Amino acid sequence: GDSVTQMEGPVTLSEEAFLTINCTYTATGYPSLFWYVQYPGEGLQLLLKATKADDKGSNKGFEATYRKETTSFHLEKGSVQVSDSAVYFCALSDRDAGNMLTFGGGTRLMVKP
Amino acid sequence: NAGVTQTPKFQVLKTGQSMTLQCAQDMNHNSMYWYRQDPGMGLRLIYYSASEGTTDKGEVPNGYNVSRLNKREFSLRLESAAPSQTSVYFCASSVGSGRALLTQYFGPGTRLLVL
Repeated sequence: GDSVTQMEGPVTLSEEAFLTINCTYTATGYPSLFWYVQYPGEGLQLLLKATKADDKGSNKGFEATYRKETTSFHLEKGSVQVSDSAVYFCALSDRDAGNMLTFGGGTRLMVKP
Repeated sequence: NAGVTQTPKFQVLKTGQSMTLQCAQDMNHNSMYWYRQDPGMGLRLIYYSASEGTTDKGEVPNGYNVSRLNKREFSLRLESAAPSQTSVYFCASSVGSGRALLTQYFGPGTRLLVL
């Protein structure tokens, strides 16, 4: 079946540092890929998405590129802020699996001033 | 617009008790979902409703039942709660499902503790 693997956290960075959160996937079909963010005490919000190979999703300074050859969708940000502290989830949606979302385990990011 | 709302926010149950988690959306979405979130395991789908009048099992349906009361509301029922059902429960909705899947919008969650 489909699966998503993320780097385990927590990831602790100083403000203005560069962020990378790794995400790799396995899927039977040709999935769409997503990053969701969960701020403390809140539900998940879509951060960005990509629907085909080499697409780059971007939002709020975050970026991720759909790499079919390496089955990866790594999340990056050039300069993190304290307000970026949250849990980040990588997910996929596979048309051959009914388009349901499959989530990774989540990566907690803590940004210190 | 309130988006997706869930009640209650927090609940403590004793083993064997029953309860219903409520979810409503005001975005006129067709599809609704129930997930549970456990540490290190991401979100796992319990049940979903592709459209009003239909419900289907997800990855972890055992111990739960659902009702799609109307287009707005989708409830999750625990008939006899067990400690293994201690979790945070999220409801979500989307415009469509299947090949028309678009972004899922999540509620704030219900934290459930079963003693």
